Amino acid sequence: EVQLVESGGGLVQPGGSLRLSCAASGFTFSSYWMSWVRQAPGKGLEWVANIKEDGSEKNYVDSVKGRFTISRDNAKNSLYLQMNSLRAEDTAVYYCAAGYCSGGSCSSTPFYWGQGTLVTVSS
Amino acid sequence: SYELTQPPSVSLSPGQTARITCSGDALPKKYAYWYQQKSRQAPVLVIYEDSKRPSGIPERFSGSISGTMATLTISGARVEDEADYYCYSTDSSGNHRVFGGGTKLTVL
Repeated sequence: EVQLVESGGGLVQPGGSLRLSCAASGFTFSSYWMSWVRQAPGKGLEWVANIKEDGSEKNYVDSVKGRFTISRDNAKNSLYLQMNSLRAEDTAVYYCAAGYCSGGSCSSTPFYWGQGTLVTVSS
Repeated sequence: SYELTQPPSVSLSPGQTARITCSGDALPKKYAYWYQQKSRQAPVLVIYEDSKRPSGIPERFSGSISGTMATLTISGARVEDEADYYCYSTDSSGNHRVFGGGTKLTVL
Protein backbone atom coordinates (compact mmCIF):
# COMPACT_ATOMS: atom_id res chain seq x y z
CA GLU A 1 0.00 0.00 0.00
CA VAL A 2 1.34 3.40 -1.00
CA GLN A 3 1.86 5.69 1.98
CA LEU A 4 3.00 9.30 1.96
CA VAL A 5 3.40 11.00 5.32
CA GLU A 6 4.19 14.70 5.50
CA SER A 7 5.76 16.44 8.47
CA GLY A 8 7.43 19.71 9.38
CA GLY A 9 4.50 22.10 9.18
CA GLY A 10 3.80 24.69 11.82
CA LEU A 11 3.58 28.38 12.65
CA VAL A 12 6.32 30.63 11.27
CA GLN A 13 6.72 34.39 11.09
CA PRO A 14 6.75 36.26 7.77
CA GLY A 15 10.24 36.13 6.30
CA GLY A 16 11.02 32.91 8.13
CA SER A 17 11.92 29.46 6.87
CA LEU A 18 10.51 25.97 7.19
CA ARG A 19 11.47 22.58 5.82
CA LEU A 20 8.77 20.06 4.99
CA SER A 21 9.45 16.35 4.71
CA CYS A 22 7.52 13.49 3.13
CA ALA A 23 8.26 9.88 4.03
CA ALA A 24 7.27 7.43 1.30
CA SER A 25 6.61 3.71 1.55
CA GLY A 26 4.84 0.93 -0.31
CA PHE A 27 6.35 1.66 -3.72
CA THR A 28 9.72 2.09 -5.44
CA PHE A 29 10.24 5.75 -4.55
CA SER A 30 13.24 6.23 -6.84
CA SER A 31 11.14 5.35 -9.91
CA TYR A 32 8.57 8.11 -9.65
CA TRP A 33 8.24 11.85 -10.06
CA MET A 34 7.24 13.57 -6.82
CA SER A 35 5.31 16.79 -6.28
CA TRP A 36 4.16 19.27 -3.68
CA VAL A 37 0.65 20.70 -3.95
CA ARG A 38 -0.86 23.21 -1.55
CA GLN A 39 -4.30 24.38 -0.54
CA ALA A 40 -4.90 27.67 1.23
CA PRO A 41 -7.72 27.70 3.81
CA GLY A 42 -11.07 27.56 2.02
CA LYS A 43 -9.41 27.72 -1.40
CA GLY A 44 -8.62 25.36 -4.26
CA LEU A 45 -5.59 23.24 -5.05
CA GLU A 46 -2.38 24.82 -6.33
CA TRP A 47 0.52 22.89 -7.81
CA VAL A 48 3.77 24.09 -6.20
CA ALA A 49 6.75 22.07 -7.44
CA ASN A 50 7.87 18.72 -8.76
CA ILE A 51 11.10 16.74 -9.09
CA LYS A 52 12.14 13.99 -11.46
CA GLU A 53 12.94 10.46 -10.32
CA ASP A 54 16.69 11.08 -10.10
CA GLY A 55 16.43 14.72 -9.05
CA SER A 56 17.82 15.96 -12.37
CA GLU A 57 14.80 18.12 -13.20
CA LYS A 58 12.86 20.43 -10.92
CA ASN A 59 9.93 22.71 -11.73
CA TYR A 60 8.22 25.43 -9.67
CA VAL A 61 5.14 27.61 -9.86
CA ASP A 62 6.17 31.21 -10.52
CA SER A 63 5.05 32.47 -7.11
CA VAL A 64 7.63 30.35 -5.23
CA LYS A 65 10.59 30.48 -7.62
CA GLY A 66 13.72 31.64 -5.83
CA ARG A 67 12.16 31.03 -2.40
CA PHE A 68 11.30 27.31 -2.33
CA THR A 69 13.56 24.38 -3.14
CA ILE A 70 12.35 20.84 -3.75
CA SER A 71 14.72 17.94 -3.20
CA ARG A 72 14.69 14.21 -2.59
CA ASP A 73 16.80 11.50 -1.01
CA ASN A 74 16.11 8.23 -2.76
CA ALA A 75 18.19 6.28 -0.24
CA LYS A 76 15.84 7.48 2.50
CA ASN A 77 12.63 7.36 0.42
CA SER A 78 12.06 10.98 1.32
CA LEU A 79 10.93 14.18 -0.37
CA TYR A 80 11.60 17.66 0.96
CA LEU A 81 10.48 21.24 0.45
CA GLN A 82 12.72 23.99 1.80
CA MET A 83 10.65 27.16 2.12
CA ASN A 84 12.44 30.49 2.67
CA SER A 85 11.23 34.09 2.80
CA LEU A 86 7.77 32.89 3.72
CA ARG A 87 4.80 35.16 3.16
CA ALA A 88 1.27 35.20 4.56
CA GLU A 89 0.00 33.97 1.21
CA ASP A 90 2.05 30.78 1.62
CA THR A 91 -0.29 29.72 4.43
CA ALA A 92 -1.79 26.41 3.33
CA VAL A 93 -1.97 22.68 3.78
CA TYR A 94 0.95 21.22 1.82
CA TYR A 95 0.43 17.82 0.23
CA CYS A 96 3.13 15.46 -0.97
CA ALA A 97 2.13 13.49 -4.08
CA ALA A 98 3.63 10.72 -6.19
CA GLY A 99 3.37 10.45 -9.96
CA TYR A 100 2.63 7.31 -11.88
CA CYS A 101 3.83 5.10 -14.69
CA SER A 102 1.55 3.69 -17.37
CA GLY A 103 2.18 2.01 -20.69
CA GLY A 104 5.94 2.26 -20.36
CA SER A 105 6.08 5.99 -19.65
CA CYS A 106 5.98 7.92 -16.40
CA SER A 107 4.11 11.10 -15.58
CA SER A 108 4.66 13.73 -12.93
CA THR A 109 0.90 14.18 -12.47
CA PRO A 110 -0.04 13.60 -8.82
CA PHE A 111 -1.54 10.13 -8.49
CA TYR A 112 -1.10 9.19 -4.80
CA TRP A 113 -1.41 11.82 -2.09
CA GLY A 114 -0.43 12.19 1.54
CA GLN A 115 -2.72 13.67 4.17
CA GLY A 116 -0.95 17.03 4.21
CA THR A 117 0.78 19.25 6.74
CA LEU A 118 -0.39 22.75 7.69
CA VAL A 119 1.92 25.72 7.30
CA THR A 120 0.79 28.98 8.88
CA VAL A 121 2.72 32.17 8.19
CA SER A 122 1.73 34.83 10.66
CA SER A 123 3.21 37.25 13.16
CA SER B 1 -0.64 32.12 -17.40
CA TYR B 2 -2.71 29.08 -18.28
CA GLU B 3 -6.16 28.55 -16.78
CA LEU B 4 -8.66 25.74 -16.51
CA THR B 5 -12.26 26.87 -16.02
CA GLN B 6 -14.84 24.90 -14.03
CA PRO B 7 -18.35 25.81 -12.87
CA PRO B 8 -18.33 26.71 -9.15
CA SER B 9 -21.16 24.37 -8.26
CA VAL B 10 -23.41 21.58 -9.50
CA SER B 11 -26.47 20.31 -7.63
CA LEU B 12 -28.62 17.28 -8.30
CA SER B 13 -30.72 14.60 -6.63
CA PRO B 14 -29.47 11.09 -5.86
CA GLY B 15 -29.64 8.82 -8.90
CA GLN B 16 -29.28 11.62 -11.41
CA THR B 17 -26.28 12.04 -13.68
CA ALA B 18 -23.77 14.75 -12.79
CA ARG B 19 -21.62 16.34 -15.46
CA ILE B 20 -18.77 18.62 -14.42
CA THR B 21 -16.91 20.47 -17.16
CA CYS B 22 -13.37 21.79 -17.42
CA SER B 23 -12.38 24.16 -20.19
CA GLY B 24 -8.81 24.84 -21.34
CA ASP B 25 -7.17 25.79 -24.62
CA ALA B 26 -4.57 23.01 -24.46
CA LEU B 27 -6.94 20.17 -23.62
CA PRO B 28 -7.00 18.89 -27.22
CA LYS B 29 -3.26 18.19 -26.82
CA LYS B 30 -2.79 17.56 -23.09
CA TYR B 31 -4.44 15.01 -20.83
CA ALA B 32 -7.08 16.00 -18.30
CA TYR B 33 -7.13 14.52 -14.81
CA TRP B 34 -9.90 14.66 -12.21
CA TYR B 35 -9.63 14.66 -8.42
CA GLN B 36 -12.28 14.24 -5.76
CA GLN B 37 -11.79 15.98 -2.42
CA LYS B 38 -14.21 15.31 0.39
CA SER B 39 -14.40 17.64 3.33
CA ARG B 40 -11.10 17.90 5.24
CA GLN B 41 -9.57 14.99 3.33
CA ALA B 42 -6.74 14.64 0.84
CA PRO B 43 -7.65 14.62 -2.86
CA VAL B 44 -8.21 11.30 -4.59
CA LEU B 45 -7.60 10.74 -8.31
CA VAL B 46 -10.78 9.49 -9.98
CA ILE B 47 -9.92 9.88 -13.68
CA TYR B 48 -6.54 10.04 -15.40
CA GLU B 49 -5.47 10.56 -19.01
CA ASP B 50 -8.91 11.93 -19.97
CA SER B 51 -10.93 8.78 -19.44
CA LYS B 52 -9.07 6.08 -17.49
CA ARG B 53 -10.26 5.03 -14.08
CA PRO B 54 -7.78 4.03 -11.34
CA SER B 55 -8.39 0.74 -9.60
CA GLY B 56 -10.90 1.05 -6.81
CA ILE B 57 -12.83 3.93 -8.39
CA PRO B 58 -16.48 3.00 -9.03
CA GLU B 59 -17.60 2.51 -12.62
CA ARG B 60 -20.15 5.31 -12.28
CA PHE B 61 -17.22 7.75 -12.67
CA SER B 62 -16.18 8.38 -16.26
CA GLY B 63 -14.29 11.02 -18.20
CA SER B 64 -14.41 12.34 -21.73
CA ILE B 65 -12.86 15.04 -23.87
CA SER B 66 -14.28 17.06 -26.73
CA GLY B 67 -12.20 19.84 -28.19
CA THR B 68 -11.18 22.24 -25.44
CA MET B 69 -13.56 20.77 -22.87
CA ALA B 70 -13.10 17.80 -20.56
CA THR B 71 -16.09 16.35 -18.73
CA LEU B 72 -16.34 14.27 -15.59
CA THR B 73 -19.58 12.28 -15.53
CA ILE B 74 -20.99 10.59 -12.45
CA SER B 75 -23.81 8.28 -13.52
CA GLY B 76 -26.36 7.65 -10.80
CA ALA B 77 -24.78 10.02 -8.32
CA ARG B 78 -24.90 9.03 -4.65
CA VAL B 79 -24.94 11.17 -1.52
CA GLU B 80 -21.42 9.88 -0.80
CA ASP B 81 -20.21 11.51 -4.05
CA GLU B 82 -20.77 14.94 -2.54
CA ALA B 83 -17.37 16.61 -2.70
CA ASP B 84 -15.24 19.20 -4.45
CA TYR B 85 -13.95 18.09 -7.84
CA TYR B 86 -10.86 19.53 -9.51
CA CYS B 87 -9.53 19.09 -13.01
CA TYR B 88 -5.78 19.25 -13.68
CA SER B 89 -3.70 19.62 -16.80
CA THR B 90 -0.82 21.54 -18.34
CA ASP B 91 -0.46 24.23 -20.97
CA SER B 92 0.64 23.25 -24.47
CA SER B 93 4.32 23.58 -23.58
CA GLY B 94 3.92 21.33 -20.57
CA ASN B 95 5.63 23.94 -18.41
CA HIS B 96 2.63 25.27 -16.50
CA ARG B 97 0.76 22.75 -14.39
CA VAL B 98 -2.60 23.95 -13.15
CA PHE B 99 -5.73 22.88 -11.33
CA GLY B 100 -9.12 24.20 -12.22
CA GLY B 101 -10.87 26.33 -9.62
CA GLY B 102 -12.93 23.39 -8.40
CA THR B 103 -16.60 22.44 -8.57
CA LYS B 104 -18.64 21.78 -5.47
CA LEU B 105 -20.99 18.86 -6.13
CA THR B 106 -24.08 18.73 -3.95
CA VAL B 107 -26.21 15.58 -3.99
CA LEU B 108 -29.44 15.89 -2.03
